[in-house]
Amino acid sequence: GENVEQHPSTLSVQEGDSAVIKCTYSDSASNYFPWYKQELGKGPQLIIDIRSNVGEKKDQRIAVTLNKTAKHFSLHITETQPEDSAVYFCAASPNQAGTALIFGKGTTLSVSS
Amino acid sequence: DAGVIQSPRHEVTEMGQEVTLRCKPISGHDYLFWYRQTMMRGLELLIYFNNNVPIDDSGMPEDRFSAKMPNASFSTLKIQPSEPRDSAVYFCASSFATSLDTQYFGPGTRLTVL
Repeated sequence: GENVEQHPSTLSVQEGDSAVIKCTYSDSASNYFPWYKQELGKGPQLIIDIRSNVGEKKDQRIAVTLNKTAKHFSLHITETQPEDSAVYFCAASPNQAGTALIFGKGTTLSVSS
Repeated sequence: DAGVIQSPRHEVTEMGQEVTLRCKPISGHDYLFWYRQTMMRGLELLIYFNNNVPIDDSGMPEDRFSAKMPNASFSTLKIQPSEPRDSAVYFCASSFATSLDTQYFGPGTRLTVL
């Protein structure tokens, strides 16, 4: 089955810096890769996703890149702000009906002002 | 829409007691997921339903755990008997169509078993 590794487990940056979180997956059939953000005391919320027919996707200050050959994908946050502080989860799943997402262990991002 | 609703938000119980967690998915969503979150194991999928039918329960840790979805607007996760190692935050999530659509998570139930 699919296994998702996420690094780093914690990340501290200064406001305005960029933050990068990386994930690797094991199942070459996986082709759907969402990222979720979990704020303190809340459930995870989808912030961006990418499918295998795309190498990069951007939405304002966040972007995700995918390297299917190497089986890894990354989340990039530019111009970080204190409100970006949260736990971020990557996930992967084969894009087939009846399969479920496998989540990474999460990265706690702290943005200090 | 009110989003996914979970109750209770916090539950403290003693070892051996029965615990029932409740979830109301977003109206019109066909998929419902139960997750458990701990520091050690992260976010684990326990079970998920499609149109009220359990599709995959391979994540349910043992027979003490059971889940039901009697109708499209309600699901329960029951632990009987509870043990201290069951202490965690339990999330319910729902999605509109395929299991790979955006999952909308509830606020979670923080369970503490003493």
